[in-house]
Parts: sequence; C-alpha cells; structure tokens
Amino acid sequence: GAVVSQHPSWVICKSGTSVKIECRSLDFQATTMFWYRQFPKQSLMLMATSNEGSKATYEQGVEKDKFLINHASLTLSTLTVTSAHPEDSSFYICSAESGSRLNEQFFGPGTRLTVL
Amino acid sequence: SQKIEQNSEALNIQEGKTATLTCNYTNYSPAYLQWYRQDPGRGPVFLLLIRENEKEKRKERLKVTFDTTLKQSLFHITASQPADSATYLCALPLKSGYNKLIFGAGTRLAVHP
Repeated sequence: GAVVSQHPSWVICKSGTSVKIECRSLDFQATTMFWYRQFPKQSLMLMATSNEGSKATYEQGVEKDKFLINHASLTLSTLTVTSAHPEDSSFYICSAESGSRLNEQFFGPGTRLTVL
Repeated sequence: SQKIEQNSEALNIQEGKTATLTCNYTNYSPAYLQWYRQDPGRGPVFLLLIRENEKEKRKERLKVTFDTTLKQSLFHITASQPADSATYLCALPLKSGYNKLIFGAGTRLAVHP
C-alpha cells in the first residue's frame, strides 16, 4: 500500500515552454502533498506544500508564479513549470502524506526535467 | 535554521559487515527523525522513523539510534549485502511541530562482494 506515482518520468522541452508534472496517490487519500527539487549530488529541497482545495504554501525563494501547483483532489496534485529555462532542469519529486499515517511521507519515483 | 550534516564521502564496506551512517543536526531537537533510502534516479523510500523519546529502533537488519544530547542519529545495516548499496538520507521536521521535512545530502553506501 501507500503508492505514489508521477507522470511523466522524464521530459525534455524547449526553453520558454511550460511543463506539467502529475503526482497521484494510488491507494490512499493524501491530505497533504509536497513538491521537492533535487539537483545532482544534492539534497532534496522542499519547494511547496499543497493541501487539497487550498492554495499551496511555497518555501522561501520559490517563485509561485513560475511553479504553479494545483491540488484538485485528495489523490492528485500537479506542478506546472511555466516558461521553463535551462536552470529549471532538475529532478522533481512529489510526496504524499496520509491522514492515517502522520509524519510518514510516501514519495513518487520522480520526474527528470531537461530544458534545452 | 535547522541544518543536517551527513558524511558526504561514500562509505565502502565488505559484504557481511555492519554499515554505520551518521546524521548530525544543529539547533532545536526534533520530535522525530527519519531515514530514507534513495537509488539513482528514483524517489526516496521511507525506512524508519524514531521519536525523540526513543533511544533505538529496529527493523529487520536495520537499527537506528537517536541521541538528543549529542544531536545525532546513527543508522546501522547489519550483515550488509550488495543490494543495500544506495544513498541513505536523514530527514527532520523543518520546524518543531511541522510536517515539512528537511533532508540531509545523504551518504552513499557501496557494499562490495
């Protein structure tokens, strides 16, 4: 149980385009979903926290207009990287927290974004 | 702000030995601490959570200790196997009472046959 999927697993796009990444909790309802970014050989950095039906909370230094987060249901959150640039190339990972198993986050497999 | 230090150098050990990884943190003592495993190009996988009132936690070949005086957690893998080779991440709540996590950079473990 507690499986989280992400789609796509990898994407290559041209500079200036927008990319949408989906995060789904497959067998549980996620009260909260988190979005992280990870650069090579570095730690996961929390970008934002989203709760179903409310606006996402962004961490300091993360542009909310560039990284749009929509948490439309208890099983789906999307991250849209708008007007992507090469410096946005990274590994984006989502996680979900179940209301029944607090303090335990279940991570998706990640999405590798490459912006040319 | 809270900072986490994990040994950035890779740990190389022989199969069958015990691997010990260290996680040190600064500032406030967290209510709990977590360990994750991450394989290349994959998301982290939750391994163990230990709370501030627990000294030690075990799960199969894994053992975690939590010393709030030293502000340190140790992660042990006994009878290590090549399949244990991965990067191991330590994570703490960002602030006391928060469910947001801050991660260490991880320590890469390589178990050689």
